[in-house]
Amino acid sequence: ILNVEQSPQSLHVQEGDSTNFTCSFPSSNFYALHWYRWETAKSPEALFVMTLNGDEKKKGRISATLNTKEGYSYLYIKGSQPEDSATYLCAYGPAGSYQLTFGKGTKLSVIP
Amino acid sequence: KAGVTQTPRYLIKTRGQQVTLSCSPISGHRSVSWYQQTPGQGLQFLFEYFSETQRNKGNFPGRFSGRQFSNSRSEMNVSTLELGDSALYLCASSFLGSNVLTFGAGSRLTVL
Repeated sequence: ILNVEQSPQSLHVQEGDSTNFTCSFPSSNFYALHWYRWETAKSPEALFVMTLNGDEKKKGRISATLNTKEGYSYLYIKGSQPEDSATYLCAYGPAGSYQLTFGKGTKLSVIP
Repeated sequence: KAGVTQTPRYLIKTRGQQVTLSCSPISGHRSVSWYQQTPGQGLQFLFEYFSETQRNKGNFPGRFSGRQFSNSRSEMNVSTLELGDSALYLCASSFLGSNVLTFGAGSRLTVL
């Protein structure tokens, strides 16, 4: 059984601050690591899918890194804005399959 | 381009009843997967379908079943409802070869 851990569970930051959170996953038999953003009353939205050790992906002010050898991924948000307030989910799963194991998420609140 | 459509969005049932939830994927997406979210838990994988075939099933009792039709629309059924089945049920679709899931808005089931 795979176990995906996310930390912190929640955090509050001031607008303009940069922040980051962590996703830990089993390092053996790594397949793919997904990040999703889930805003209240909306659907989860895909941010990144990473498959290779050392992968770095960027989308605007949000970026992610992947270390498959030690089993962690970081999500960074530069200059947080109120619209970044959401729950950020990571998920681990086999390549080519959608049987993903999700973490419980990190709930980010950006205070104007 | 229409997104993933789930119906109904909200429903209330009583213990012992059964429920059917529907998911219409994005046009062209032939893979559909289902997830359950209960309070305090991450998204839990239920099923994955491709071309009317169940590819994977999560660790749920036999009361949970699903199917996919030739037009890629999918349904899931929960029989003999229990209080613990109260949850948000999310459907996601993807096209073959893509790692990215596009989620619907979910069906929120309350069992009384």
